[in-house]
Amino acid sequence: SQTIHQWPATLVQPVGSPLSLECTVEGTSNPNLYWYRQAAGRGLQLLFYSVGIGQISSEVPQNLSASRPQDRQFILSSKKLLLSDSGFYLCAWSFGLAGETQYFGPGTRLLVL
Amino acid sequence: EDQVTQSPEALRLQEGESSSLNCSYTVSGLRGLFWYRQDPGKGPEFLFTLYSAGEEKEKERLKATLTKKESFLHITAPKPEDSATYLCAVLGGGSYIPTFGRGTSLIVHP
Repeated sequence: SQTIHQWPATLVQPVGSPLSLECTVEGTSNPNLYWYRQAAGRGLQLLFYSVGIGQISSEVPQNLSASRPQDRQFILSSKKLLLSDSGFYLCAWSFGLAGETQYFGPGTRLLVL
Repeated sequence: EDQVTQSPEALRLQEGESSSLNCSYTVSGLRGLFWYRQDPGKGPEFLFTLYSAGEEKEKERLKATLTKKESFLHITAPKPEDSATYLCAVLGGGSYIPTFGRGTSLIVHP
């Protein structure tokens, strides 16, 4: 069976500091991978998605970037955090090409002070 | 552009009081409609995928149905542990990206 991991679970960072959130998937090959941000009352906002190693599509221009250095690893980064980057970050995967059902990780709660 | 509207935004039920959550959608060429359950501070948990009008799926006290314009998540005799936010999403056309609704927050009182 497939599992998805995210870490850290919670992070408190000062404004202007760098960020690295990691997501890994086990039990499948060549998944589609996704980063979402969820703000209270605003639903899920897609940030990035990837259909393969080194292939990143950005949905919203912003202070964040994503990378996929390995088939089942997806990293969300920032060089300098803003207050507005606070939120709940979710990683998700789906089977490649067919897309369809997404399966979510446990999430990372980020608070920028 | 695909659109998903969930109603009501919030629902309070007494334990055992059955009800339904609604997900109305517009999409070009439905490839799938998805229901998730999300507990506070956790990632969404997959419940069902429906592919075509008339399809139904069940899991414990939950039953999801699909028409050409909307989906219902029926909750029969709910228990307090069914309290959560329920999210609906649709995937259309040749996209890899589903469109999510804002969710229905369900509270079941003992």
